Amino acid sequence: GQQLNQSPQSMFIQEGEDVSMNCTSSSIFNTWLWYKQDPGEGPVLLIALYKAGELTSNGRLTAQFGITRKDSFLNISASIPSDVGIYFCAGLSGNTGKLIFGQGTTLQVKP
Amino acid sequence: GAGVSQSPSNKVTEKGKDVELRCDPISGHTALYWYRQSLGQGLEFLIYFQGNSAPDKSGLPSDRFSAERTGGSVSTLTIQRTQQEDSAVYLCASSLGDYHNSPLHFGNGTRLTVT
Repeated sequence: GQQLNQSPQSMFIQEGEDVSMNCTSSSIFNTWLWYKQDPGEGPVLLIALYKAGELTSNGRLTAQFGITRKDSFLNISASIPSDVGIYFCAGLSGNTGKLIFGQGTTLQVKP
Repeated sequence: GAGVSQSPSNKVTEKGKDVELRCDPISGHTALYWYRQSLGQGLEFLIYFQGNSAPDKSGLPSDRFSAERTGGSVSTLTIQRTQQEDSAVYLCASSLGDYHNSPLHFGNGTRLTVT
């Protein structure tokens, strides 16, 4: 079946540093989404990407939908302690409405 | 409420018992999804509903798992004869149903522990 490979699996950075994570797939997706999950809560949508090549920002977050439609990256600039959490990429193919999730990137920020 | 509501938030049950998990989607959202998240893992798709019908049940792990949705709103996920490997967080999400313009909004999940 379809799978998303998300990397890195975890990151431990200093406050103020920039962060980059990405997802790749052997399959084409029509939509890429990035979610953040805090402990004990459900994932919260950060950025949605709907067109190949699209580059979208949300505050300190920037994400891009790869031109091949098989990959996406998320950048966080000037990290702060509240950025701590698990970040998931998710892809949507066809018209099934079924999202495929990556394995997640656990981010820890040292003040 | 404003968001997706799931109950109970925590459930501890003995192996072999049946459990029911409930999801109240955001009002007006026609699509509803169930995912499972095991400890330290990503989200595993179980089933999704468009209205009251379930076009895709491919993620249900076994015939012990079933789900229904009534009135295009509330959904229940039922696990019969629970096993220890069923222990996980079960997440529900809803969307407006226009998949390419309406991302999923998640509840906080039900943490199921089978002893």
